[in-house]
Amino acid sequence: GENVEQHPSTLSVQEGDSAVIKCTYSDSASNYFPWYKQELGKRPQLIIDIRSNVGEKKDQRIAVTLNKTAKHFSLHITETQPEDSAVYFCAASRGAGSYQLTFGKGTKLSVIP
Amino acid sequence: EADIYQTPRYLVIGTGKKITLECSQTMGHDKMYWYQQDPGMELHLIHYSYGVNSTEKGDLSSESTVSRIRTEHFPLTLESARPSHTSQYLCASSAAGGLVYGYTFGSGTRLTVV
Repeated sequence: GENVEQHPSTLSVQEGDSAVIKCTYSDSASNYFPWYKQELGKRPQLIIDIRSNVGEKKDQRIAVTLNKTAKHFSLHITETQPEDSAVYFCAASRGAGSYQLTFGKGTKLSVIP
Repeated sequence: EADIYQTPRYLVIGTGKKITLECSQTMGHDKMYWYQQDPGMELHLIHYSYGVNSTEKGDLSSESTVSRIRTEHFPLTLESARPSHTSQYLCASSAAGGLVYGYTFGSGTRLTVV
């Protein structure tokens, strides 16, 4: 089955700096890669996603890049703010016929004012 | 407002009791999922359903059961709660269609079994 590795598990950055979280996946048939943000005590929320026919997608301060050959994808947050502090999860679809997502173990991002 | 709703938000219950965690969505989604989230925040799939009368077990072995009699409703039942069932339970749904879509999560039920 699909396996998703996420690094780092914790990340601390100064306010205004950039943050990068990386994920690798194992199933070459995976074609959908969403990212979720979970603030303390709240539900995970979809913040950006990318399909395998696209190499990069951007939405204001966040961007996701996908390298299908190397089977890895990354979340980039620029100009970080304290409200970006949360746990971030990457996920990958499980291939043809499956609508399930396999999640990474999460990255706890702390933005220091 | 179209959303996915879970009740109760918090539940403390004694060992051996039967409990049902409710999950309903008003988004017209056909696919629904139950995840267990451990204190380290990792998400484990315990059940999923692609439509009415269709349910499957997920990756994490669970003593719970689910039913899908109506499209919008996907309750999870524990016949006999144990302290090892103490956890956060998240329900999610995703849109109909032939593509994989991102999940919308409910706010969760935090279950404590004493």
